[in-house]
Amino acid sequence: GQQLNQSPQSMFIQEGEDVSMNCTSSSIFNTWLWYKQEPGEGPVLLIALYKAGELTSNGRLTAQFGITRKDSFLNISASIPSDVGIYFCAGPIQGAQKLVFGQGTRLTINP
Amino acid sequence: ETGVTQSPTHLIKTRGQQVTLRCSSQSGHNTVSWYQQALGQGPQFIFQYYREEENGRGNFPPRFSGLQFPNYSSELNVNALELDDSALYLCASSTTPVGGLEKLFFGSGTQLSVL
Repeated sequence: GQQLNQSPQSMFIQEGEDVSMNCTSSSIFNTWLWYKQEPGEGPVLLIALYKAGELTSNGRLTAQFGITRKDSFLNISASIPSDVGIYFCAGPIQGAQKLVFGQGTRLTINP
Repeated sequence: ETGVTQSPTHLIKTRGQQVTLRCSSQSGHNTVSWYQQALGQGPQFIFQYYREEENGRGNFPPRFSGLQFPNYSSELNVNALELDDSALYLCASSTTPVGGLEKLFFGSGTQLSVL
C-alpha cells in the first residue's frame, strides 16, 4: 500500500530556531495535509495543499507541495515552546475514504 | 474544541476480552471514521461509517467491527483482544464520505491497553 516516510523522526532544538521537516512517498498524491498532535489529543489540521508547487502559510508555518507530487515540506520559523508536539503528513487515497499518515516527526524545544 | 467526543478516555482490558469504544460526531457531520494509532506511529485507517453502513475498510481483521446510529454517533467493537491491539483509537467525523478528507475532525481518542 501507499506509505509516507517522514524525516527526521525527532528533532531537539532551541527556542527561536527554525525547523524543517519533510515527507516523501513512492506514489503521487493530489493533496498533502500537515497535522499536529499534542499529548492526549487527536491530530489537528495545520495546512492543506492542493496543487503541485503550491506554497501555503499559516502564521509561522509554511508548507510546500513538491513539484513531483511525491513529497512535501513543512517549515516552522522562530519556534516557541507551544510548537512542541508530533507533526504528521497525510494524504487522501484517491477513490477511497481514508487518509494515509506518515510516522511523524517529534519536535522538542529547549527554552 | 472540535466537537468530536470519545469515551472512555482510557481503558484496560485483558487478552481475549471484548471492548466497545464510543464516538459522538461533531454537529452536522454524518460520516464517522475510526483510526488506530500505535505508539510512535501515525494513525491507520480502520473503517468509515456513512448512513449506518460500513463505507470503506482498511487492513484490519473482522474482529474489528462497528456501528453507526441514526444520530450519526458510532461504536467500534473489538473482539478477542490481542496484545497488539493496545493503541490510541481515534474517531474522526466529516460532512461527506468522499472527498474533502482535509475536513476530518478528530476526537481526543481512547487509549486502550491490553494486558
